[in-house]
Amino acid sequence: ETGVTQSPTHLIKTRGQQVTLRCSSQSGHNTVSWYQQALGQGPQFIFQYYREEENGRGNFPPRFSGLQFPNYSSELNVNALELDDSALYLCASSLDAGATYNEQFFGPGTRLTVL
Amino acid sequence: AQSVSQHNHHVILSEAASLELGCNYSYGGTVNLFWYVQYPGQHLQLLLKYFSGDPLVKGIKGFEAEFIKSKFSFNLRKPSVQWSDTAEYFCAVNAGASKIIFGSGTRLSIRP
Repeated sequence: ETGVTQSPTHLIKTRGQQVTLRCSSQSGHNTVSWYQQALGQGPQFIFQYYREEENGRGNFPPRFSGLQFPNYSSELNVNALELDDSALYLCASSLDAGATYNEQFFGPGTRLTVL
Repeated sequence: AQSVSQHNHHVILSEAASLELGCNYSYGGTVNLFWYVQYPGQHLQLLLKYFSGDPLVKGIKGFEAEFIKSKFSFNLRKPSVQWSDTAEYFCAVNAGASKIIFGSGTRLSIRP
């Protein structure tokens, strides 16, 4: 069974640029959630995708957007990068968001630095 | 607004000491509660969870947590810590729908 993988591991961008982060969910999982973890803080929920549809969103502006593909992998896109977007971005996969809560399995994260 | 508070930012203990990490949440409805752990250089992983039933929940590696509804608390405990318990611990609540709210974390350092 393959766990959750994320790419790239590290990324450096400049303010105003756009970035795409990728996540492959664990085998058999159809739900992907994205989190932003700033230094010294807990993860903050960005949004969740379930069967290719957005299934909940946290307090993040529209320049944070996402996609989920038929194979349930997912992308997080951030436009017009700001310095405060520097953080560890975590992806978590789970089975059936519509059912009683199922455990989320986290990937290693992508460390984004905005200069 | 829903929130999770972890009272201790950094806890330092000697091996074999007992551990209790505090967690309080603010949410009036039915909640699912979790403790996650992040060992150095590793992914976040689930330590234990509470959905319903017995408020004393046992997790992996000898950890347990007690849900006290009247206090909106879900404190993590371990009777005797080991050096390998050095990690960051996050309390979290699933307060409806898909959203999980995490606390800011407690860094646990164990002196050998």
